[in-house]
Amino acid sequence: DVQLLESGGGLVQPGGSLRLSCAASGFTFSSYAMSWVRQAPGKGLEWVSTISGGGGMTYYADSVKGRFTISRDNSKNTLYLQMNSLRAEDTALYYCARDQSAYSYGTFTAWGQGTRVPVSS
Amino acid sequence: EIVLTQSPATLSLSPGKRATLSCRASQGVSSYLAWYQQKPGQAPRLLIYDASNRATGIPARFSGSGSGTDFTLTISSLEPEDFAIYYCQQRSDWPFTFGPGTKVDIK
Repeated sequence: DVQLLESGGGLVQPGGSLRLSCAASGFTFSSYAMSWVRQAPGKGLEWVSTISGGGGMTYYADSVKGRFTISRDNSKNTLYLQMNSLRAEDTALYYCARDQSAYSYGTFTAWGQGTRVPVSS
Repeated sequence: EIVLTQSPATLSLSPGKRATLSCRASQGVSSYLAWYQQKPGQAPRLLIYDASNRATGIPARFSGSGSGTDFTLTISSLEPEDFAIYYCQQRSDWPFTFGPGTKVDIK
C-alpha cells in the first residue's frame, strides 16, 4: 500500500523557519514527482510546490517562491519542504502528495494525512 | 493564474439522488482537470483525473465529463459515504489551482 507520512510541523513564530518531511513507502519513490499542498483552517486547497522524480525540476506557487524550498532524497524515500520567513498566512495543514509519474505533474494520486503548521507569536 | 469556479457552493440532496457538480475554468485547460473528495478530518482523495478517468478503486457511480472550460462531476446515486466536499483542480498550467469546493450534504 502507498503510504505518505508527514512530520515536522509545529508552532513557529512569524519570520521563523521549519522543515517538513514526508516519508514514503509502498512504491518506487524515485519514479514519481512529489508535491506539497496546503489547506488553511476552514479553507480550500492550495498547491504549494512540486519536484520531479529525479529532483532536478522544481516548481513553486508565487506565494512561497523565494521562501520555501522543496527537495527530496531518493535514497531515503523522503520528501522535504524547507520553509523560511514564515508568515501568519502560511498557517495551514501541509499535505504531501504523490503525482502521477516522474515527469507528469499535477494529478495527486495519493495523499498523506498532513502536518499542521501554525505561525503565530 | 487559471481561476476555477465551482457551483453550487452547497448541494443538499437525499441518498439515492443524482448529484451534478460544475467546475468552470477562467481559460481553457483542455482535459487537464481532476476532481477530489474530502471528508471532515481526512485528506483529499482523487476521484477523477484528466476530466473523465476514474482513479483506481473509485466506484462507477462517479463520472466526469467536459473539456476546455466547462466540466461536470456526476454521482449517479448518492451513497451515505458520498456526503463530503468536492474540489476540482487544473494541471494545464502553473500554478496548479483548485476550485473553492462544493459541499454535498444530506437533505
